[in-house]
Amino acid sequence: DGGITQSPKYLFRKEGQNVTLSCEQNLNHDAMYWYRQDPGQGLRLIYYSQIVNDFQKGDIAEGYSVSREKKESFPLTVTSAQKNPTAFYLCASSSHKTGTQYFGPGTRLLVL
Amino acid sequence: SQQGEEDPQALSIQEGENATMNCSYKTSINNLQWYRQNSGRGLVHLILIRSNEREKHSGRLRVTLDTSKKSSSLLITASRAADTASYFCATDGNAGNMLTFGGGTRLMVKP
Repeated sequence: DGGITQSPKYLFRKEGQNVTLSCEQNLNHDAMYWYRQDPGQGLRLIYYSQIVNDFQKGDIAEGYSVSREKKESFPLTVTSAQKNPTAFYLCASSSHKTGTQYFGPGTRLLVL
Repeated sequence: SQQGEEDPQALSIQEGENATMNCSYKTSINNLQWYRQNSGRGLVHLILIRSNEREKHSGRLRVTLDTSKKSSSLLITASRAADTASYFCATDGNAGNMLTFGGGTRLMVKP
């Protein structure tokens, strides 16, 4: 079964804590993306990676960090510097050929 | 800032009726895509229309693109309760596969 997975489904963060959201794909896609979605809103790009070992900041990168050590994996860390982290986080991947993005099921991050 | 803006923000119709959603964008594009999102889930790709195409069909979906007006519309015919979801348009720019999403239209289809 090809697809893109995210874990956990729900994540709770305490004040001052860093948390890491997982994103894995077995679609052999070169490009991967992280988006943030607030209630009733559209998607805003946090970070993206067009190829392994390379990534670029999106529109709202402050307070977040990523790594892309493997083609299949693109984890997102929400750092303590992100003062309003409560949101729905979506990971996506795409082939350079088609431009269509395939999304994971999302992780909902809540602050305790 | 968002490249695409959907209109209306929310739409409520009866089952069997047609639903039309519009998307406007600001800069030139290579293609425009429509995605669907069920509540609390990831987005699912519906249809892609290229800048040199004017209309495209997929099942009960019909998408039009007017590059002179920088606008697109998504028509869902003979709607069903299962069509209840948020619908987003997404445009690419000049930066490879990067997409910019609009704010979405929340569609409710009442049985």
